[in-house]
Amino acid sequence: QVQLVQSGAEVKEPGASVKVSCKASGYTFTGYYIHWVRQAPGQGLEWMGWINPDSGGADYAQKFQGRVTMTRDTSISTAYMELSRLTSDDTAVYYCARPYCNSTSCHIWFDTWGQGTLVTVSS
Amino acid sequence: DIVMTQSPDSLAVSLGERATINCKSSQSVLYSSNNKNYLAWYQQRPGQPPRLLIYWASTRESGVPDRFSGSGSGTDFTLTISSLQAEDVAVYYCQQYYSTSITFGQGTRLEIK
Repeated sequence: QVQLVQSGAEVKEPGASVKVSCKASGYTFTGYYIHWVRQAPGQGLEWMGWINPDSGGADYAQKFQGRVTMTRDTSISTAYMELSRLTSDDTAVYYCARPYCNSTSCHIWFDTWGQGTLVTVSS
Repeated sequence: DIVMTQSPDSLAVSLGERATINCKSSQSVLYSSNNKNYLAWYQQRPGQPPRLLIYWASTRESGVPDRFSGSGSGTDFTLTISSLQAEDVAVYYCQQYYSTSITFGQGTRLEIK
């Protein structure tokens, strides 16, 4: 079955960077973009951007530009999201998600989500 | 960015009764070339990732009970649960995908009265 499995929880100090992984299985990894969405404790969902696993191209929400980098390793069907210069406001659960695609087009609603990775930023 | 505003922020409904959640977008998410509304709804239970319920504003995802329905067009949308079940306690989010800069509503918390 289609599955996205994320790396485990992280604790980081302010100013550090974190890299979260998202391993895909059950489908052709290069056939679907991977998006990242985060959720601060008790808060709503915030879209961060996407990566095209086929080309490696990426696009980021304006809020995160200059601080986020999304990459992939096609040999192990894994996408990565790295966020730098962390502050306490970056404490959140980070999700990877796959948009819907059929044979002719893709649309950005998310029918598959990873389990989430809690990143805690604290000194 | 398109701002999505949900109402109410929280809602308490008795078991078996109807629950209605509203979502308003700051600009139309109706794409004129295909007459489709680029609006999805999700359910999020505590400690879980969101679950897709509805896309194209009114199309139910496979496996979603038919007590869930979506309606609306343009800028105003509604998610209705026709007969509330205990397992429907969750936070519900709308999301627009009209713009490539994806945005979500702030969420509506649904509880049992």
